[in-house]
Amino acid sequence: SQTIHQWPATLVQPVGSPLSLECTVEGTSNPNLYWYRQAAGRGLQLLFYSVGIGQISSEVPQNLSASRPQDRQFILSSKKLLLSDSGFYLCAWSTGTEMRTDTQYFGPGTRLTVL
Amino acid sequence: GNSVTQMEGPVTLSEEAFLTINCTYTATGYPSLFWYVQYPGEGLQLLLKATKADDKGSNKGFEATYRKETTSFHLEKGSVQVSDSAVYFCALSDSNYQLIWGAGTKLIIKP
Repeated sequence: SQTIHQWPATLVQPVGSPLSLECTVEGTSNPNLYWYRQAAGRGLQLLFYSVGIGQISSEVPQNLSASRPQDRQFILSSKKLLLSDSGFYLCAWSTGTEMRTDTQYFGPGTRLTVL
Repeated sequence: GNSVTQMEGPVTLSEEAFLTINCTYTATGYPSLFWYVQYPGEGLQLLLKATKADDKGSNKGFEATYRKETTSFHLEKGSVQVSDSAVYFCALSDSNYQLIWGAGTKLIIKP
């Protein structure tokens, strides 16, 4: 069966520090991968998605970046965190075999607090 | 563009009450429709989905019917439990690998 891992689970970082969040998927090949942010009391905002190694699409201009160095690894990074980067970051995957009906499967999330 | 509108929360009900959470959408083409649930402190998980008009998705006592004529996908449950307390998200898929999300509705069930 497929599983998705995210780490760390929680993170407290000072403003201006770098960030690296990691997401890995097991039990599937060539998944579509997604990074979302969920601000407190709000819905999900799609940040990045990837349909293959090295292929990243950005949905929102920001100081965050994403990379996909391996088929089942998706990394969210920042060189300098802002206070507004605080939130709950969710990684998700889908099979991509049928775009219109695909279910996205979510990881447990990372709670990021920028102070 | 595509969009999803959910009823604002929180929705507060007593245990065993009937639940309806409204969801309407705007979309071109024939999207699939989803309900996801987020329990406190956890990530999201799929609750149910419907991929074409008049389909009914169901899971854990929850149901939703894809109504193309009213562009709706309302979530219902006949008798809610305290354990159903969570945030519920309606979403639709477009053809570009993306889910378009509603803002979420927080459900609080009191014993």
